Amino acid sequence: DSGVTQTPKHLITATGQRVTLRCSPRSGDLSVYWYQQSLDQGLQFLIQYYNGEERAKGNILERFSAQQFPDLHSELNLSSLELGDSALYFCASSPFVGQSNYGYTFGSGTRLTVV
Amino acid sequence: QQPVQSPQAVILREGEDAVINCSSSKALYSVHWYRQKHGEAPVFLMILLKGGEQKGHEKISASFNEKKQQSSLYLTASQLSYSGTYFCGLLESGAGSYQLTFGKGTKLSVIP
Repeated sequence: DSGVTQTPKHLITATGQRVTLRCSPRSGDLSVYWYQQSLDQGLQFLIQYYNGEERAKGNILERFSAQQFPDLHSELNLSSLELGDSALYFCASSPFVGQSNYGYTFGSGTRLTVV
Repeated sequence: QQPVQSPQAVILREGEDAVINCSSSKALYSVHWYRQKHGEAPVFLMILLKGGEQKGHEKISASFNEKKQQSSLYLTASQLSYSGTYFCGLLESGAGSYQLTFGKGTKLSVIP
């Protein structure tokens, strides 16, 4: 157990639907990162939050949004889902933001299948 | 910009050594290395900060050449447990840099 909790582990939904993925960071970590991993692809950065504020945005689609709550857990909302959104979505956390000496701790991921 | 990793895949016999390279076209602040086993989350191995340092983790070590904007991961006397996909993640230099960008990964297979 890495200390980063992601729920649900698996999600199967139909095209056009909306889903919410949840992430609780490791205790003491203030930064949360969301990554998308498709088959045979690397980890694509989506978005980052630090202590409730958005700090960096990657290749995140307009249909996707995220937020970090006062208790530091984060949610990634995916709407108007398409078949191509099927992927493994990882959440990671770290104590600080930006240029620090700390690595990221990843959760076990949510596998999203859009049918 | 996504870092370039090479090779894309490598097969080793137990006890053999391997080097995985990671390069960027931009000035870097730090390099992260992670290993991901099939169906599992990536696991942090080590971080190297600019300054040319080299770090070690058991029989896995890495170097960072900030002038060349390159990092290399060295795996010596490989074990079956080293199998997995290795990712480098790069954090660019400069104020306001927060995005850790990962390469596409190098798949390492260690066979008996």
